[in-house]
Amino acid sequence: EVQLVESGGGLVKPGGSLRLSCAASGFSFSSYGMNWVRQAPGKGLEWVSSISRSAGDRYYADSVKGRFTISRDNARNSLSLHMDSLRADDTAVYYCAKAGAEAAAGLRFWYYDLWGRGTLVTVSS
Amino acid sequence: QSVLTQPPSVSGAPGQRVTISCTGSSSNIGANYVVHWYQQLPGTAPKFLLSSDTIPRPSGVPERFSASRSGTSASLAITGLQAEDEADYYCHCYDNSLGGLWVFGGGTRLTVL
Repeated sequence: EVQLVESGGGLVKPGGSLRLSCAASGFSFSSYGMNWVRQAPGKGLEWVSSISRSAGDRYYADSVKGRFTISRDNARNSLSLHMDSLRADDTAVYYCAKAGAEAAAGLRFWYYDLWGRGTLVTVSS
Repeated sequence: QSVLTQPPSVSGAPGQRVTISCTGSSSNIGANYVVHWYQQLPGTAPKFLLSSDTIPRPSGVPERFSASRSGTSASLAITGLQAEDEADYYCHCYDNSLGGLWVFGGGTRLTVL
């Protein structure tokens, strides 16, 4: 079955760290760019970070740059997001999302054709 | 405040046609970038629905859904509205300005009356 399954969410204090993971199955993981998108409670979607197929290129939203690190392990079909210096406004459901095949043609063609169910991160004292 | 502007809500009766707009700027939609649409049913993860052009229609997406773009705007049209279409819809696009590579609209809640 083609799917993405996130894990690692939970309650963390402001200033703390957390590592999210995403397990991919049912497709050739190493052939696709991967992404993290988040959704604060009752709010819209926000792009967080993306990584190219080989992990040679990584991209971050300004809101997380310098605090979050995206990585992938193609041998284990796994995507990660390491989050440091967490703030209350990082509270959200974090979704792992696969880039569509056309993403290989350039950044302007990136879109997300497969999503996981998400994992909730709550930053609160 | 989102870089792409969508109406917070739209509504329509079963069988009717509704459109959801997505207004951007010269650094995203106006730069001739493809606009993508996602559907989020209540309590579920988003799902890729359609792109304005270039990207093939995903299998399983009814022909009732169509997407287009012109200038700095894009739109999603749904004809023959059905109760199961009630959901949040988000537009999404690449942006070449400083501050962010990919941007979403704020989302539109579609209510089927």
